[in-house]
Amino acid sequence: DVKVTQSSRYLVKRTGEKVFLECVQDMDHENMFWYRQDPGLGLRLIYFSYDVKMKEKGDIPEGYSVSREKKERFSLILESASTNQTSMYLCASSQQGRDQPQHFGDGTRLSIL
Amino acid sequence: DAKTTQPPSMDCAEGRAANLPCNHSTISGNEYVYWYRQIHSQGPQYIIHGLKNNETNEMASLIITEDRKSSTLILPHATLRDTAVYYCIVRARANAGGTSYGKLTFGQGTILTVHP
Repeated sequence: DVKVTQSSRYLVKRTGEKVFLECVQDMDHENMFWYRQDPGLGLRLIYFSYDVKMKEKGDIPEGYSVSREKKERFSLILESASTNQTSMYLCASSQQGRDQPQHFGDGTRLSIL
Repeated sequence: DAKTTQPPSMDCAEGRAANLPCNHSTISGNEYVYWYRQIHSQGPQYIIHGLKNNETNEMASLIITEDRKSSTLILPHATLRDTAVYYCIVRARANAGGTSYGKLTFGQGTILTVHP
């Protein structure tokens, strides 16, 4: 079974802090993704990566950065956390291939106070 | 990616088959149909996907009409643990580069409630 593990289920941080969200997958997938999910707005893509050290902006990259130093690990960084970044953050991974499905972790519910 | 339409909610008795419909009348030839579900406070779970042929795996069956304008997800023997929001997504094959690469867009989905 595919396993995507996010480092924390719940996280509380303060405005202005630098926040790191970690994601690890154990299936040797080439592609990894970070989304946020908000009520009424659905799922929105923040960043994705299709190879080590490669990254592409999604629809809402502002205020975020990512790091992929190893194939299995994809980190999302909130450079200076703000209250509007309170959300559920979801990491996903998929194999290379045109129809390969994405597999998600259980999410990190982040609250910025 | 093509838009999908799903009923907002459905009920199903435990042990019976749950048939979840999805309309995707604007689907184009290179677009796949994917189904995911999300149980409260968990990440979305991949169920099944297909292009034009019917598909079956250990979780469910996917029936796609011949014109590909609609599909049905079938959970053959629903259990209480199948209570979740079910999302039908139509997505083009991923392209090289660009922000559309691999992006999933979830609509409102169908809230399936399985009752004893």
